[in-house]
Amino acid sequence: DTGVSQNPRHKITKRGQNVTFRCDPISEHNRLYWYRQTLGQGPEFLTYFQNEAQLEKSRLLSDRFSAERPKGSFSTLEIQRTEQGDSAMYLCASSFRRGASPLHFGNGTRLTVT
Amino acid sequence: RKEVEQDPGPFNVPEGATVAFNCTYSNSASQSFFWYRQDCRKEPKLLMSVYSSGNEDGRFTAQLNRASQYISLLIRDSKLSDSATYLCVVNPDEYMRFGAGTRLTVKP
Repeated sequence: DTGVSQNPRHKITKRGQNVTFRCDPISEHNRLYWYRQTLGQGPEFLTYFQNEAQLEKSRLLSDRFSAERPKGSFSTLEIQRTEQGDSAMYLCASSFRRGASPLHFGNGTRLTVT
Repeated sequence: RKEVEQDPGPFNVPEGATVAFNCTYSNSASQSFFWYRQDCRKEPKLLMSVYSSGNEDGRFTAQLNRASQYISLLIRDSKLSDSATYLCVVNPDEYMRFGAGTRLTVKP
């Protein structure tokens, strides 16, 4: 399977704990995006990488959130001191670096903070 | 004002019906446009790109009106399997903006 892979699929954690998600993009793609989606809303942009460089971060990405793509391949998204408001689907997508290039999404990681 | 606005629906239509979804976007510099489909609790999947001259893919037709900053999706001869949420997507710069989606249910 050469699609975008995310794990874990589901994560339940207690408020205040740290969580880390992983994304493996399509290998030929040099852009990697993180989005967050809550019920009844479309995906909201969090951040994106071109190769290993993190080029833009949304204001939604508070200081508790950090993302890395150390070798320009897989990426991790860490949330520290989770809050109930962090409960959402976290979607990773990859694409070629072209304006008209569509995004290919992974299955997502569904986070529930209790 | 949201960057991408869609009628949330839901649209409930019988099999075989024709249904149209509309979308407006706020950034006139937007260059790329797409429709994505999202099934319940699944990831969004690309349905089709939208080109300035309009384009068709089987039963699906997409139209773009740059002057009015308006995008549409027409589905003809609806199938039960078309039931999903349809997301309007606009790319004004380095990342895509998504509408909240329009929910479609096709009934027998």
